Amino acid sequence: DAGVIQSPRHEVTEMGQEVTLRCKPISGHNSLFWYRQTMMRGLELLIYFNNNVPIDDSGMPEDRFSAKMPNASFSTLKIQPSEPRDSAVYFCASSFFGEYTDTQYFGPGTRLTVL
Amino acid sequence: AQSVTQLDSHVSVSEGTPVLLRCNYSSSYSPSLFWYVQHPNKGLQLLLKYTSAATLVKGINGFEAEFKKSETSFHLTKPSAHMSDAAEYFCVVSGMDSSYKLIFGSGTRLLVRP
Repeated sequence: DAGVIQSPRHEVTEMGQEVTLRCKPISGHNSLFWYRQTMMRGLELLIYFNNNVPIDDSGMPEDRFSAKMPNASFSTLKIQPSEPRDSAVYFCASSFFGEYTDTQYFGPGTRLTVL
Repeated sequence: AQSVTQLDSHVSVSEGTPVLLRCNYSSSYSPSLFWYVQHPNKGLQLLLKYTSAATLVKGINGFEAEFKKSETSFHLTKPSAHMSDAAEYFCVVSGMDSSYKLIFGSGTRLLVRP
């Protein structure tokens, strides 16, 4: 299995530009998570999808952030417009979430730098 | 509410010596507990997971962790450190109300001296 795939691995953009991060979860998993990691705040859950439906988006910082999961094998996290304080590493994770399973598998991350 | 405390922000050991990374948790129920490792510029990799089947959990790369309910601890150990073990390690507990919500410790950076 290829694991969780994220693209791009690195993104440098200027303030005000739109940024789109992409994620392909592990085949057969029914849950997908987007996280943000910064030195100051550690790892934060941004949004959680189950069966392609957003279940918990309470961690999304503000309206500039949006996430979609059009099908079971693809998700995007969009920031529009981007700001320097959005600079962070963004991780996607997936799992097969059931009564007895809750292990999340993380992708390699996208390092975002907003100038 | 659940919480996780990693007692050391940095641990330094010599290659070939034992590793101990300490983690205490707070929970009003029996949670799932995890250790993840993050190598520089990499994603998080699952080392091991505790789910109440056995108190001593064996993971990958020779790591293991022991769940001690009386001490609310879940310390990570390895008998002999290797240079490739240098990384950041996160102790994680699953949420009570929503088990999909992982609560991460602040991380322990392991340095391995030659």
